[in-house]
Amino acid sequence: GAVVSQHPSRVICKSGTSVKIECRSLDFQATTMFWYRQFPKKSLMLMATSNEGSKATYEQGVEKDKFLINHASLTLSTLTVTSAHPEDSSFYICSAVGRQETQYFGPGTRLLVL
Amino acid sequence: LAKTTQPISMDSYEGQEVNITCSHNNIATNDYITWYQQFPSQGPRFIIQGYKTKVTNEVASLFIPADRKSSTLSLPRVSLSDTAVYYCLVGENRDDKIIFGKGTRLHILP
Repeated sequence: GAVVSQHPSRVICKSGTSVKIECRSLDFQATTMFWYRQFPKKSLMLMATSNEGSKATYEQGVEKDKFLINHASLTLSTLTVTSAHPEDSSFYICSAVGRQETQYFGPGTRLLVL
Repeated sequence: LAKTTQPISMDSYEGQEVNITCSHNNIATNDYITWYQQFPSQGPRFIIQGYKTKVTNEVASLFIPADRKSSTLSLPRVSLSDTAVYYCLVGENRDDKIIFGKGTRLHILP
């Protein structure tokens, strides 16, 4: 139980295009999901808090117009990287609060912008 | 949000017991202590969570002293596959955001 999935697992795109990443809680409902990014050999950095039915809350320094977050249902949150650039290449991870109020993480999405 | 401090890296050998200690001097009354394991190119995986004293599950034990200002993750009889980064996190859970520290890079040697 408490499984979180992400799709796609890896994506390559051209500079200037937009990429959508999906995060799903498969066997539980999550009113809150989180989005992180992680660079090689570094720790996870929280980008934003995604709340079902309301606007996301972004961490300082994260551009809300570049990283669009939509939490349309209790099991799905999406992160869209708009007008992607090579510096956006990273490992993006989502999490959802599940049973016993513990955060469960997705497997991550590797984004490479050429 | 309570800040955590862990050793940057540790080495151990297969079959040994490994203890990783985390300091969280500013832990709040409602905060839980949670440990995650992360392999390269994977999302963090929940290991164990506790509030006080000792918690044990099928993979690890968590020791928390009475003042709760630190905690120790104990991995019994480690194997090569336990090589990973281990994160100690402190927070209220529920909808509370987690701020990751640098974690401890554990390297198990044959």
